[in-house]
Amino acid sequence: GESVGLHLPTLSVQEGDNSIINCAYSNSASDYFIWYKQESGKGPQFIIDIRSNMDKRQGQRVTVLLNKTVKHLSLQIAATQPGDSAVYFCAEFGNAGGTSYGKLTFGQGTILTVHP
Amino acid sequence: DAGVIQSPRHEVTEMGQEVTLRCKPISGHDYLFWYRQTMMRGLELLIYFNNNVPIDDSGMPEDRFSAKMPNASFSTLKIQPSEPRDSAVYFCASSPNRGHGYTFGSGTRLTVV
Repeated sequence: GESVGLHLPTLSVQEGDNSIINCAYSNSASDYFIWYKQESGKGPQFIIDIRSNMDKRQGQRVTVLLNKTVKHLSLQIAATQPGDSAVYFCAEFGNAGGTSYGKLTFGQGTILTVHP
Repeated sequence: DAGVIQSPRHEVTEMGQEVTLRCKPISGHDYLFWYRQTMMRGLELLIYFNNNVPIDDSGMPEDRFSAKMPNASFSTLKIQPSEPRDSAVYFCASSPNRGHGYTFGSGTRLTVV
């Protein structure tokens, strides 16, 4: 089926370390991917996106890597801070016909905990 | 911009009662989405609108759920009658176009007892 899944449900790091959150997707027709951060009691917040014609995109302290060959997406956070503690979701946008077209499908999420 | 505004933030109701959740999207955003979030199922898309027209409601769980968008600045999600298994956080999101990241509201935490 068309789904987005995460390998690691939880990740604990020390402040200052780099964090890597991974995501596998199954819909090869997806052409747009987004990482969201969700803090407790809040809605998901856009972090960074990448389109399928790219394999890397950088933002402030964050980098998203896309490997279309193995249908894998990762989010790298440099110098992780306690304020980065949250649940991180990857999401894919379906670009083919069928039930996924025009819809953003979310993975299950990874809980990132940053220890001071 | 105030972002996507949802109300109420919290709702506690008794089983069988009607519940109405409200959403005001960001001005100029042509797409509006309703999601439900639970620990068991994660974030699920219920329905989405384009230019106030429902495009895909395949995620609406049952006939007890209905959604409307009477104009570009307002949408409702109604559950009638509500059941305990409807307890979840309901998010509204909007987007200026199809290929763009969504902006989410703060959500409505619904508890049906």
